[in-house]
Amino acid sequence: GAVVSQHPSRVICKSGTSVKIECRSLDFQATTMFWYRQFPKQSLMLMATSNEGSKATYEQGVEKDKFLINHASLTLSTLTVTSAHPEDSSFYICSARGLAVYNEQFFGPGTRLTVL
Amino acid sequence: ILNVEQSPQSLHVQEGDSTNFTCSFPSSNFYALHWYRWETAKSPEALFVMTLNGDEKKKGRISATLNTKEGYSYLYIKGSQPEDSATYLCAFFRIGHYSGAGSYQLTFGKGTKLSVIP
Repeated sequence: GAVVSQHPSRVICKSGTSVKIECRSLDFQATTMFWYRQFPKQSLMLMATSNEGSKATYEQGVEKDKFLINHASLTLSTLTVTSAHPEDSSFYICSARGLAVYNEQFFGPGTRLTVL
Repeated sequence: ILNVEQSPQSLHVQEGDSTNFTCSFPSSNFYALHWYRWETAKSPEALFVMTLNGDEKKKGRISATLNTKEGYSYLYIKGSQPEDSATYLCAFFRIGHYSGAGSYQLTFGKGTKLSVIP
């Protein structure tokens, strides 16, 4: 299957700082990228969807000014958590999909964010 | 609210045992069901994409069945091995609340964590 990388794998930051997470599709063109968040013992929850060159679409309850998503190319999407607070501590994971919407999504390995 | 339920939450089996677990999902407006295998510290790996009622798919010792009319899918593992230890996720493919390719989304269950004891 296709490979999606995600960096960093783990980040610890102070409250009030911003953190950027990168998601790259290494061997295919990702028309659509998805950002999920997972809290302990919960399911992966979709935060936002981005299509290359377009503004991201955010799910209900996700603040777009707090979670900035950029999908500038067919191989790279970034999620920036701005002014992070302890309640933003979570596991963030991206996935990428090619043009065919019914096909499988390919996931990165995720980023564990801890905000002190 | 779209509910995708998986059971059991976790299970432990002995090496060599066969096992199965369940994913239930809404039976209306069905498009597809995805199964993923997620090992600790790795990326979730796609196992199956199932689209037709009565579908049965197989990959080595792992197979899955689909009943869209009653809204459930079973995942079977035959002769479990320690390397099968992982969390198995199912995801219901749905059309979201806005237009465009990105509107085709996956809603995940919480997963079944399988531990195979050598």
